[in-house]
Amino acid sequence: DAGVIQSPRHEVTEMGQEVTLRCKPISGHNSLFWYRQTMMRGLELLIYFNNNVPIDDSGMPEDRFSAKMPNASFSTLKIQPSEPRDSAVYFCASSYRDRDYEQYFGPGTRLTVT
Amino acid sequence: SQQGEEDPQALSIQEGENATMNCSYKTSINNLQWYRQNSGRGLVHLILIRSNEREKHSGRLRVTLDTSKKSSSLLITASRAADTASYFCATAGPGGYQKVTFGTGTKLQVIP
Repeated sequence: DAGVIQSPRHEVTEMGQEVTLRCKPISGHNSLFWYRQTMMRGLELLIYFNNNVPIDDSGMPEDRFSAKMPNASFSTLKIQPSEPRDSAVYFCASSYRDRDYEQYFGPGTRLTVT
Repeated sequence: SQQGEEDPQALSIQEGENATMNCSYKTSINNLQWYRQNSGRGLVHLILIRSNEREKHSGRLRVTLDTSKKSSSLLITASRAADTASYFCATAGPGGYQKVTFGTGTKLQVIP
C-alpha cells in the first residue's frame, strides 16, 4: 500500500497566483480530510469528504479556498488568489469506517507564498 | 475550536526515562486516538482507545482513558532518542462520518 500521496511536496508561489494541491487517498478509504498546520494555529481541519461528498467545510478560511473530490481516488485543494498568510503545511488524510476512524496522513505540501 | 488540549506543551527527558502526556477534551466521544508527528512529516497513528475501555497497551505505549473526567494520558516507557516528536490526541465524537478533532500537541524531546 503506497499510503496517502500528496503533490507537490513543496510549492513556492507569488501572492495572487493560483495554487492547486493534490491528494490521492488510500484505496478503499471512504473519507478524506484536508488540514492546515502552522506554528501559530496548530493543526486545523479545513474540509472533509465522505464517499466523495463534502460533509463539513466550516474550516475553510474564506472563499479563496475551494476543494473538490471528483472520484474516490483524487482530491484537490485550490487557493485563488493566494496570499502570504496562506503559507503553511497542508496535509491530506484518509480513513475507513471499519477502522474506527483511524486517519492516515500524507507527507504534506509545504506552501510558501511570497 | 479544538477539542483536545494536551499537557504539558513541551517535555524534555533523558533517554530511558518514562514520558507522560495528558489530554483533556470537552464533549462525549466514541474513541480517543494518539498520533505522533516527527519534524517535517505527517502524523502517524499510534494507538486508539474506545470510550468503553479504560486502559490499552501497545509495545512501550500505555494509554488510559477516564470518561468521567474527560481526560486521557499517554505513557511512553523507557524512552529513546527516536521518540523525539510531537504527540497529539484526537477525539472521534458520536455520530456518523469519521471526523476527528486534534488537540494542540505535546512536543517531546528525549535527550540521549
